[in-house]
Amino acid sequence: DTAVSQTPKYLVTQMGNDKSIKCEQNLGHDTMYWYKQDSKKFLKIMFSYNNKELIINETVPNRFSPKSPDKAHLNLHINSLELGDSAVYFCASSRLAGGRGTDTQYFGPGTRLTVL
Amino acid sequence: AQKITQTQPGMFVQEKEAVTLDCTYDTSDQSYGLFWYKQPSSGEMIFLIYQGSYDEQNATEGRYSLNFQKARKSANLVISASQLGDSAMYFCAMREGISSGSARQLTFGSGTQLTVLP
Repeated sequence: DTAVSQTPKYLVTQMGNDKSIKCEQNLGHDTMYWYKQDSKKFLKIMFSYNNKELIINETVPNRFSPKSPDKAHLNLHINSLELGDSAVYFCASSRLAGGRGTDTQYFGPGTRLTVL
Repeated sequence: AQKITQTQPGMFVQEKEAVTLDCTYDTSDQSYGLFWYKQPSSGEMIFLIYQGSYDEQNATEGRYSLNFQKARKSANLVISASQLGDSAMYFCAMREGISSGSARQLTFGSGTQLTVLP
């Protein structure tokens, strides 16, 4: 009964490779997000999709590309991986704001990416 | 300027005691939301409690309560009767513009590592 799931949980790869992380939510939410947590535990938004449409795109290298095939899925593709991409990537989902607490974001378990 | 400030990188508390984790925020929005998340050593992000800027009452969820002081722009998390399982990193986060209907990201503080001592 996992609400927000991500695969894989761990990803170890060489510099220069291309990799994808998948995210699925079964909460019926219409908005999904990708966050990056760096080695100092700082969390920062990367992207947000609402109803399959990109609505937030922070300053992220264009090697990162989100793709949302439907409202329940938001995948993250990373091309030409670099050492600095090593981090934990979290997917999250929420409803759009509309009332008290209804926009709470629920997070997936995270994907620890290590680039060698 | 930092939008969310957590000034306590680490805190210790004795089991069964209460502890307050500090959070101050900065926004020019009138309508915003404040959240606390817990990240145990296993790594997942667990939602704890929410406070809306227009909520008149402080939020409570079980042993968690939020001490919201709007004029001081602070939203401190109070954990009562600490348990060993409360040892974790705690993040304060803000979502601005909740009345606009647009999805806005969470801005996180740097976190406080809480250790509960037996």
